Formats: sequence, structure tokens, C-alpha cells
Amino acid sequence: ETGVTQTPRHLVMGMTNKKSLKCEQHLGHNAMYWYKQSAKKPLELMFVYNFKEQTENNSVPSRFSPECPNSSHLFLHLHTLQPEDSALYLCASSRTVYNEQFFGPGTRLTVL
Amino acid sequence: GQQLNQSPQSMFIQEGEDVSMNCTSSSIFNTWLWYKQDPGEGPVLLIALYKAGELTSNGRLTAQFGITRKDSFLNISASIPSDVGIYFCAGPNSGGGADGLTFGKGTHLIIQP
Repeated sequence: ETGVTQTPRHLVMGMTNKKSLKCEQHLGHNAMYWYKQSAKKPLELMFVYNFKEQTENNSVPSRFSPECPNSSHLFLHLHTLQPEDSALYLCASSRTVYNEQFFGPGTRLTVL
Repeated sequence: GQQLNQSPQSMFIQEGEDVSMNCTSSSIFNTWLWYKQDPGEGPVLLIALYKAGELTSNGRLTAQFGITRKDSFLNISASIPSDVGIYFCAGPNSGGGADGLTFGKGTHLIIQP
């Protein structure tokens, strides 16, 4: 079974839409992360959850809202996004926040 | 914040050639990670290094953790077409990993037929 899965793989939304990205990990890890990857920029950490508690919010605009109902699932709720938010959104997990991270395949988001 | 500088930015090589790339930082890292990303996919962990001076291999890949803890190297021997992709170095942020990873900007590997 694939370690970290993300759905949907592709998403196109208007600026007034509300959508959610889903991440699930089957590795028994306790930490989960959201990253944003834009063209020609390094991977940017957005949020960190450790044992379901948010430990890091890297100055992310409030139009991005994370949710971690349990250690295996992580959501990113999106509303009133801007075109510059178009990017590849990657989820990752690790056994603890001190261990190497494993990534999902990402969701390619396009905001029109 | 911490920054990782990767070089070269791009590499154009012939199939069968050996590849070398590196990652440097002005800060000390206690762990170095090397990832590969294929187009439209998430990064895949290739090698993890935990001790200064450590040399670790994974098939045709070899990575080293620099003695100063401020650099790391990745070598690929006898490149093949499936080696094409973006290679990233990464290390835990200064919070000891609690703040996630810092990534370099990546080295694009292109193999010419």
C-alpha cells in the first residue's frame, strides 16, 4: 500500500470557491506536514502537525486552513484563493519531527 | 533563516557519465537528506546522513556528510535515463526538525541521448 497518498491529484478552482485537499499516511507516523512548491522556488513549509497538534504555522495566509483529525489524516481547506496560490501542494509525514520525511505525490492546484 | 545552496543548478550529461552535485550551508546541520523529484510527483528520499564524515551508498548513489557539518555531496555513477529529475538536499530546521525541513533549490539533471 502506498505510504502517503494525496487527493485530488489535480484541482482547478475559482477565487470564490471552497475546496479541500486530503492527505493520508499509512506508515504509522506521528508528524505530518504541508509544503507549497512553486515554479523556480524552493519547497516552502506551510504547516507542521505533531501528534495531531499544530506546532508550526509558517506565516501562511488565513485563506489556507489546516486540519488534522488524527495522526493518519491531514487536510488543507482552501477558500478565496488568489492566482498566485497556484502551485504543487505536497504532504509529508515522518515518524517523529526529528526523522526523515516521506512525501505524497502532491496536488497540482490551479486558481483561475 | 537557514539556507541551503545547491550546485550546479543544472547538469547536462551523456548517459553513462558519472554525476557529482553538492549542497552547502552557512549553518551547521545534524542531518542531511537527499531527495529526487520526478515531474508531477512528490520528492522521494534517496539517502539520509546522520553523522559528520559519514559516507552512505544506495545502489549507484553515494552521499557524504561533510566533516564541517555545513556541506554534503551526492554522486551518481554510470547515469541512466531514469536518473533524470530534480535532486534536492534538505536538512532539519533549527528547531531540531520540529519546524520541518529546509530544502535547497535543487539540481536539475538532464541526460542527453
